[in-house]
Amino acid sequence: GIQVEQSPPDLILQEGANSTLRCNFSDSVNNLQWFHQNPWGQLINLFYIPSGTKQNGRLSATTVATERYSLLYISSSQTTDSGVYFCAVPRGDMDSNYQLIWGAGTKLIIKP
Amino acid sequence: NAGVMQNPRHLVRRRGQEARLRCSPMKGHSHVYWYRQLPEEGLKFMVYLQKENIIDESGMPKERFSAEFPKEGPSILRIQQVVRGDSAAYFCASSPHNIQYFGAGTRLSVL
Repeated sequence: GIQVEQSPPDLILQEGANSTLRCNFSDSVNNLQWFHQNPWGQLINLFYIPSGTKQNGRLSATTVATERYSLLYISSSQTTDSGVYFCAVPRGDMDSNYQLIWGAGTKLIIKP
Repeated sequence: NAGVMQNPRHLVRRRGQEARLRCSPMKGHSHVYWYRQLPEEGLKFMVYLQKENIIDESGMPKERFSAEFPKEGPSILRIQQVVRGDSAAYFCASSPHNIQYFGAGTRLSVL
């Protein structure tokens, strides 16, 4: 089945820094979602981005479907950005395309 | 429009007891998915339901676990005779089509 790898696994930054998180996937996809899991465990939808670039405030994401990767950019980090960032893609075969396959996440800590 | 609602947020059970986790999808969403998250891991698919139908339960353990999404009321994930290995966060998602929206999760602790 499709494999999803995220890097780096851990990232510690000072407040105000910029960061780039990467998600590689092993097969072509027609859907990709980025999520933020905050320190309280809640999952927050960030982007639905099967291809192209989207921006939402200090966050932006780019998916290059032909090269099987997606990037999440966080600019001017704030302590509230801390948590784990996940990317997830559908399983791949048409019969079970609703099953999201998740990466292991990037744990981001923003220090004040 | 309220988001996906899960309750309880935290549930503590002793080994052998039953756990019932509830999920109310977003208004207008007819697709419900349950996922399980073990510590330090991403989520793993368990089951996909539509109203009164289980579409895919390939990710569910064969024993002790069941799910339903009745015509009226929330979707229920039921775990019978819980064991310590069932301790995890259980997330529910709903969708109209491609994008899945997640609830805040239920953290199950088995003592």
